[in-house]
Amino acid sequence: AQTVTQSQPEMSVQEAETVTLSCTYDTSESNYYLFWYKQPPSRQMILVIRQEAYKQQNATENRFSVNFQKAAKSFSLKISDSQLGDTAMYFCAFMKHSYTGANSKLTFGKGITLSVRP
Amino acid sequence: DGGITQSPKYLFRKEGQNVTLSCEQNLNHDAMYWYRQDPGQGLRLIYYSQIVNDFQKGDIAEGYSVSREKKESFPLTVTSAQKNPTAFYLCASSIGGLAQETQYFGPGTRLLVL
Repeated sequence: AQTVTQSQPEMSVQEAETVTLSCTYDTSESNYYLFWYKQPPSRQMILVIRQEAYKQQNATENRFSVNFQKAAKSFSLKISDSQLGDTAMYFCAFMKHSYTGANSKLTFGKGITLSVRP
Repeated sequence: DGGITQSPKYLFRKEGQNVTLSCEQNLNHDAMYWYRQDPGQGLRLIYYSQIVNDFQKGDIAEGYSVSREKKESFPLTVTSAQKNPTAFYLCASSIGGLAQETQYFGPGTRLLVL
């Protein structure tokens, strides 16, 4: 079974600064996907970024980038130029690759609450 | 607009009552999922469906039931057998099949026990 660990329950960052959220996972799979989702106070889960394990290049989406270290089973999210709208809970999630497309479930970490200070 | 809708936004359940949460999507996605979110525990998978008329239990299926009669709809029933139903329930969908695509979420339903 896969596990996802987010050990920091809360973080705070000054507006316009950079913050890194940590995530580690445990799996025996070699092919999988990793995600960061954002859940603002509205509680809508919003995809932030996705990484395929077979890709060596770290994924980026505008101000959001990841540091994917496959050997260390680490997947951290970096938010640059933090904005007030980035205040939310952030969840790291794992999905095993399935050659049949079956059982594509997400395993989530417990989340981290990020507060951006004005 | 394409998206996932969940209703109601808030739902109250009395002791011994079954309640049904609605999830509809117009994204033409084959796969749909139900997750439960409790404080401090992240999301846990209740049931999922890869195709119409087929569904599978997730990690915490006890006390829940689902149906998948239409591609667009995946309702979740919380039965009286679920002893601790108070939680936030999220429905998600993805393209499904071999695509291994990203799951997109609805706005959620908050279930409270009276």
